[in-house]
Amino acid sequence: QVQLVQSEAEVRKPGASVTVSCKISGHTFTTFAVHWVRQAPGQSLEWMGWIDAGEGDAKYTQKFQGRLTITRDTSATKVYMHLSSLTSEDTAVYYCARETLGFDPWGQGTLVTVSS
Amino acid sequence: SYELTQPPSVSVSPGQTARITCSGDALPKQYTSWYQQKPGQAPVMIMYKDTERPSEIPERFSGSSSGTTVTLTIYGVQAEDEADYYCQSADITGAYRVFGGGTKLTVL
Repeated sequence: QVQLVQSEAEVRKPGASVTVSCKISGHTFTTFAVHWVRQAPGQSLEWMGWIDAGEGDAKYTQKFQGRLTITRDTSATKVYMHLSSLTSEDTAVYYCARETLGFDPWGQGTLVTVSS
Repeated sequence: SYELTQPPSVSVSPGQTARITCSGDALPKQYTSWYQQKPGQAPVMIMYKDTERPSEIPERFSGSSSGTTVTLTIYGVQAEDEADYYCQSADITGAYRVFGGGTKLTVL
């Protein structure tokens, strides 16, 4: 059974960066397409970008171009989401999810709080 | 940027039928998935490829598609179905994904 387990909550100051990891188990890692989705408090789901875990190619929604980097470590079967130049508007729960026919399963979510 | 449009809220009484729509220009060309999210939990996929239901999802959940609108229908709504529902699809190129704004289903 495929499982996605994310790293723990983070607190950052404005202007800093954060990296959230997503450990994947239960299936061949390099066949995965892994997406990152965030949800600000009381708000909707927002798609951020994705990576082909086999090829290592990543795509990002325009809103995060230049601030977001998604990478993977095939030996560790982990995908990483790195977001820089944080502001209070980046305070959100960040989710990773595998895509096959849809986003399933999802990680448990990682709360990133940006506060001075 | 590409957008999917959902009604912010839908309210039904227990046992009634709830319909949640999702509209977008690329929907005739791209499949849509639906997700249910309860407070404090990660989303769960309840429909994929417009009309396909994962085996663990109750049969009262159904999906349909017509032109630029896809619809999630919940027959015989139960109290446990109260949640936020999101549609998700891809832009016309298929390279980028997008979520609808979400619909809060209230069971009266």
